[in-house]
Amino acid sequence: ETGVTQSPTHLIKTRGQQVTLRCSSQSGHNTVSWYQQALGQGPQFIFQYYREEENGRGNFPPRFSGLQFPNYSSELNVNALELDDSALYLCASSLGQGMTGELFFGEGSRLTVL
Amino acid sequence: LAKTTQPISMDSYEGQEVNITCSHNNIATNDYITWYQQFPSQGPRFIIQGYKTKVTNEVASLFIPADRKSSTLSLPRVSLSDTAVYYCLVGLEGTGTASKLTFGTGTRLQVTL
Repeated sequence: ETGVTQSPTHLIKTRGQQVTLRCSSQSGHNTVSWYQQALGQGPQFIFQYYREEENGRGNFPPRFSGLQFPNYSSELNVNALELDDSALYLCASSLGQGMTGELFFGEGSRLTVL
Repeated sequence: LAKTTQPISMDSYEGQEVNITCSHNNIATNDYITWYQQFPSQGPRFIIQGYKTKVTNEVASLFIPADRKSSTLSLPRVSLSDTAVYYCLVGLEGTGTASKLTFGTGTRLQVTL
C-alpha cells in the first residue's frame, strides 16, 4: 500500500508566476484535500475534492484552484503568486467525503516566492 | 466550525505522562474530536478520534467529558520522539457534507531527558 506522495518537494518561484503542485493519494482513497501551512502556523484548509469535484473550500482566493483526476490524484494550481504564498503545501487523502476521520498527509511541497 | 483553544507549548521529561487539554466550547452535536501529531517538515499524522467518554488506542487516550466542551489527549510515558506539535480539531465526521477542517496553532510538546 503506497502512501500519499507529493511533488515537487521544494520549489522557488518569483512573484507573479504560476505554480502547479501534484499529489498522488493513498491507494483506495477517493478524496483529496489541500492545506497551506505557513511557518509556525497550523495547516489551513484550501479545498477538498471528492470524485473529481470540489466539495469544500476554505478562505482562499480564486487564484488557488485544483483538479482531481479519475485515478484520484490531484493538482493544486496557484496563479499570480504573492510573497505570502510562501508556505508548505500539504495534500491529504481519505476515504469518503467526511471532513474528519483519518486523513493521510503527504510530506508536503515547500514553496518559496521571491 | 467549532474553534479550539490549546496551550501553546508544554514541556515534559521522558517517561512521564503528558495530558494536553483542548477547549471547544462551541462544539456541535454532530462534531467529532480528532488529534493530529506533526513533526517538523512533515505532514500531520492522525493520532486518535472520539465523540464522547474515552477512547484508547495503542499510542494515546482521549478523554471527553459529558458536556464535550473540552477534551484531553493523554500520552503515556512519553519519549524524546514524542517531541512534536499536537493539534486538536473539531468537525463533522462522515456526514457527506464538506466542512472546513481547521487546524489551530497546536501545542508544541518538548520532551527532554
